[in-house]
Amino acid sequence: EVQLLESGGGLVQPGGSLRLSCAASGFTFSSYAMSWVRQAPGKGLEWVSAISGSGGSTYYADSVKGRFTISRDNSKNTLYLQMNSLRAEDTAVYYCAKSRPLSMVREEDYWGQGTLVTVSS
Amino acid sequence: IQLTQSPSSLSASVGDRVTITCRASQGISSYLAWYQQKPGKAPKLLIYAASTLQSGVPSRFSGSGSGTDFTLTISSLQPEDFATYYCQQLNSYPLIFTFGPGTKVDIK
Repeated sequence: EVQLLESGGGLVQPGGSLRLSCAASGFTFSSYAMSWVRQAPGKGLEWVSAISGSGGSTYYADSVKGRFTISRDNSKNTLYLQMNSLRAEDTAVYYCAKSRPLSMVREEDYWGQGTLVTVSS
Repeated sequence: IQLTQSPSSLSASVGDRVTITCRASQGISSYLAWYQQKPGKAPKLLIYAASTLQSGVPSRFSGSGSGTDFTLTISSLQPEDFATYYCQQLNSYPLIFTFGPGTKVDIK
């Protein structure tokens, strides 16, 4: 059974940093691209970032480019999102998600339960 | 690439046929997915490649379209289908996958 478990969310001041983690199990982690998607309170979904299975290719939404860094440790089956220079508009539930097809960054077929990041002074 | 969805919300009854439209600002071939999200839950993949039903999803859900215009159809709405539905495009280069604004389906 595929499981994705996010952690690392919390309250942070504007300008601060936070690192999210996503522990994966139930599939061959290194064979699949992974993504982060966020949802501000009461708002729609926003794709944030994706990374290839090897970690060699990364992709970012314009809203987070230069501030967020996606990475993965395939030996630990864990996905990360390092978030720097946080702003109030980054407040959201952050989901990690697995790409459906093998070896491609595509639609997401499994999602974690989400972790809430609140940026406020 | 921007996505628009219509309607933004709709009220329907159990048994109704429901159609939601997603329009892309430029052609995306068939690189479109549909998700269902219930309050407080993670999204669930329903359809990918515009018309391919994800494993385990009931056959009352169907998708169609290519290029810029896409539809999600629920042939006979069931109580568990009341939710918000999002389309997602997966065609842009550089790779930036955007979601539509969502369509909320609630009980009439």
